[in-house]
Formats: sequence, C-alpha cells, structure tokens
Amino acid sequence: QVLLQQSGPGLVEPSQILSLTCAISGDSVSANIAAWNWIRQSPSRGLEWLGRTYYRSKWYYSYADSVKGRIAINPDTSRNQFSLQLNSVTPEDTAIYYCVRDSNGFDNWGQGTPVTVSS
Amino acid sequence: DIQMSQSPSSLSASVGGRVTITCQASQDITKSLNWYQQKPGKAPQLLIYASSTLEGGVPSRFSGSGSGTDFTLIISGLQPEDIGTYYCQQYDSLPLTFGPGTKVDIK
Repeated sequence: QVLLQQSGPGLVEPSQILSLTCAISGDSVSANIAAWNWIRQSPSRGLEWLGRTYYRSKWYYSYADSVKGRIAINPDTSRNQFSLQLNSVTPEDTAIYYCVRDSNGFDNWGQGTPVTVSS
Repeated sequence: DIQMSQSPSSLSASVGGRVTITCQASQDITKSLNWYQQKPGKAPQLLIYASSTLEGGVPSRFSGSGSGTDFTLIISGLQPEDIGTYYCQQYDSLPLTFGPGTKVDIK
C-alpha cells in the first residue's frame, strides 16, 4: 500500500517561498514506473497540475506554464520523498496542495495541505 | 493546452438510478482520459483510467467509454456513497488538465 504524507506550513506571506514535502512509503521515488506530481485545488482555478518529476535512468522534470520560472520539484532519494518549492507567492497561490503518484492515472494522493498566502 | 469540459455541472438522481456524465476534450486525445471521484474534504480518488479500465477496488457500477474528444462516465445504480464531484483528466499531452467537475447528489 502506497502512502503519501505531506508536511509544510499552511500560511505563507506574499512574495515569500512556499515549501512542501511529500514522504513516500510503499514505493520508491526512484521507481521506473511512476511519476511524482504536485497538484493544487482552489475554487477559482479548480484542479490544477503544477508539475512532476520521475526517474527513467535519469531524472526528468516538467512544469505547468502558469508557474514555470517560480517552481521547483525535487526528489530526495536518501529520504524517499519529493518536495515542492514555489517562489514569489501571491494570494492567487492560495489553494489546497496535493502530492500525487501517477501510475496509470493519479492513483495515490497525499492528504492535502491547505495553504493561505496572506500577511 | 488541451481544455476539458464536462456536462452537466451538477445533477440529482434517485438511489438506484442511472447517472451519465460527459467530458469533452478540445482536441483528439485518443483514449488518454481518467475519471476521479472527490468527496467533500477528501482528495480525489481514481475511478477509471485509459477511458474504460476500472481501477482496482472500484465497484463495477462505474463504467467509462469514449475516444477522441468525447467521453462518458456512467454510474449504473446510484448509491448514497456515490455523492461527490466527478472530474475527468487528460494525459495525452502536457500540461495535464482536468475538467471543471460534475457534482452528483441524491434526489
């Protein structure tokens, strides 16, 4: 059974950095058959895919244009986890953030972290 | 980007009734479509992948069909535990995109 456990702050000030971590159990971040994603959900934007990383002999990264230039998703093989860093946040980045495994669909989701961008 | 639309945006049906939700892609995505169910306060849950393959553990009253730009999710015999919002999602090309959702409740 794959479990994804998210951690990170629920309140971030405008212009600061949003950082979240997703710890994986029951699978490996280096698995050759999965991709590791961050997705957010807000009333205004619905479900929005932010980006992913995966390993196929080397690491690959893809990001949505809406956050490109502000986002980094990084694997940590020593801790079997991956992280999201979103820079220069604004109130528009207020949402529930999910880490998600993709293996024939988004089949395992973290518990979600509500993040509010506010001073 | 591939835009996904869904109809209806909400519906009410009787227990035991048949529910049909449609999803349309803005361009041909062959069969690269997944369906999710989201209950209030919970993360979405994968129901169907590759247009018609049932995820393990999902009741057989759920079924999916379609290819190209038009897709359908059917619930044959709605149960009280099926209330929630249903989303389609394409994986034909990046960025991966979701439909706006269809909210289902019991009449």
